Amino acid sequence: GNSVTQMQGQVTLSEEEFLFINCTYSTTGYPTLFWYVQYPGEGPQLLLKVTTANNKGSSRGFEATYDKGTTSFHLQKASVQESDSAVYYCVLAVSGSFNKLTFGAGTRLAVCP
Amino acid sequence: EAAVTQSPRSKVAVTGGKVTLSCHQTNNHDYMYWYRQDTGHGLRLIHYSYVADSTEKGDIPDGYKASRPSQENFSLILELASLSQTAVYFCASSTRGTTGQLYFGEGSKLTVL
Repeated sequence: GNSVTQMQGQVTLSEEEFLFINCTYSTTGYPTLFWYVQYPGEGPQLLLKVTTANNKGSSRGFEATYDKGTTSFHLQKASVQESDSAVYYCVLAVSGSFNKLTFGAGTRLAVCP
Repeated sequence: EAAVTQSPRSKVAVTGGKVTLSCHQTNNHDYMYWYRQDTGHGLRLIHYSYVADSTEKGDIPDGYKASRPSQENFSLILELASLSQTAVYFCASSTRGTTGQLYFGEGSKLTVL
């Protein structure tokens, strides 16, 4: 089956520091990868999407890079703000099953002013 | 204005009792989903539906039923609630296409005592 692993359960940074969140995935299908973000009291929302065709995606100052060789998918941001505090989910979809997403466990980001 | 609304937002139920969680969407989307969120597990798919009057099992359907009486409404039913079903439940909707973008409600926190 499909699986997604996020080893970092919690990340704490100060404002303007660099953010890097790592994710690895496993599938026998053709993957498309997403980062979803969940702010306190809200449901998750799509942050960005990366296909294997382009290997990179960006949105709202965040960048994601996909590495097929290591089946890894990183999220990074050069300078975080307190408003970026949220839970970030690495999410996998497989071609032919775009409506059945597999979520990672999530990484909780706390940014201190 | 919220396009996916869930009710109730919070509920306390007794073990063995029946619980119904309701979801209503105004996105005119074909697909609707019920996910469960637990710490350390991210979100896991319980049931989904791609057309009214039809539902499909997700990854963890045991102990849950679903009902889609119309395009706009999707319910999750726990006939005999158990302690292990204490969690936050999210409803979501999406288009029929391959965007991978789900639109989530704000969640329903269920506590089974």
